[in-house]
Amino acid sequence: DSGVTQTPKHLITATGQRVTLRCSPRSGDLSVYWYQQSLDQGLQFLIHYYNGEERAKGNILERFSAQQFPDLHSELNLSSLELGDSALYFCASSVSGRSTDTQYFGPGTRLTVL
Amino acid sequence: AQKVTQAQTEISVVEKEDVTLDCVYETRDTTYYLFWYKQPPSGELVFLIRRNSFDEQNEISGRYSWNFQKSTSSFNFTITASQVVDSAVYFCALSEPTSYKLSFGAGTTVTVRA
Repeated sequence: DSGVTQTPKHLITATGQRVTLRCSPRSGDLSVYWYQQSLDQGLQFLIHYYNGEERAKGNILERFSAQQFPDLHSELNLSSLELGDSALYFCASSVSGRSTDTQYFGPGTRLTVL
Repeated sequence: AQKVTQAQTEISVVEKEDVTLDCVYETRDTTYYLFWYKQPPSGELVFLIRRNSFDEQNEISGRYSWNFQKSTSSFNFTITASQVVDSAVYFCALSEPTSYKLSFGAGTTVTVRA
């Protein structure tokens, strides 16, 4: 158990809908990262937050957004969902957000868009 | 350009055999970090080892060992005396100071047969 929690574990929804994925980092970690794992793209970095502020963006679609709250939990919002958004979404956390950190991953949320 | 290459797609071994996973990376930075993660069939991403670029000493931790060679940009990982529970997808990842993300390879699926 990495100490990173993600809810829900599974999510099934329809095209055009909006969903919210939630992540709680390990105790003491200030940074949260979101990654998407799909069969065709592999593991791709989406976005990084440090202590409530956005630090870096990766291959994140405009339909996707995220935020980190004062209690350091984070939410990833996916809207106008398409079939191609079906994937495993991981949250990871680290102590400070520096490249020297080890990122610890949560169990993931499996999103299925029908 | 792909930063991390795992040329082996799948490896199948019989229990107690050793397994070596290859990883080749590409970076312009002189300081960087390399990681190996494991993704068992249950789906979570589990951190295994981390190595920084300025320490080429190879190490052993239990049944895991790794061979880091800066001259060839390789970071290979070996599982000694493999067990069925080692069956998983193994990912090599690179962290650079100019980026806040992990760049992952495509993964190598290891199947250990009893």
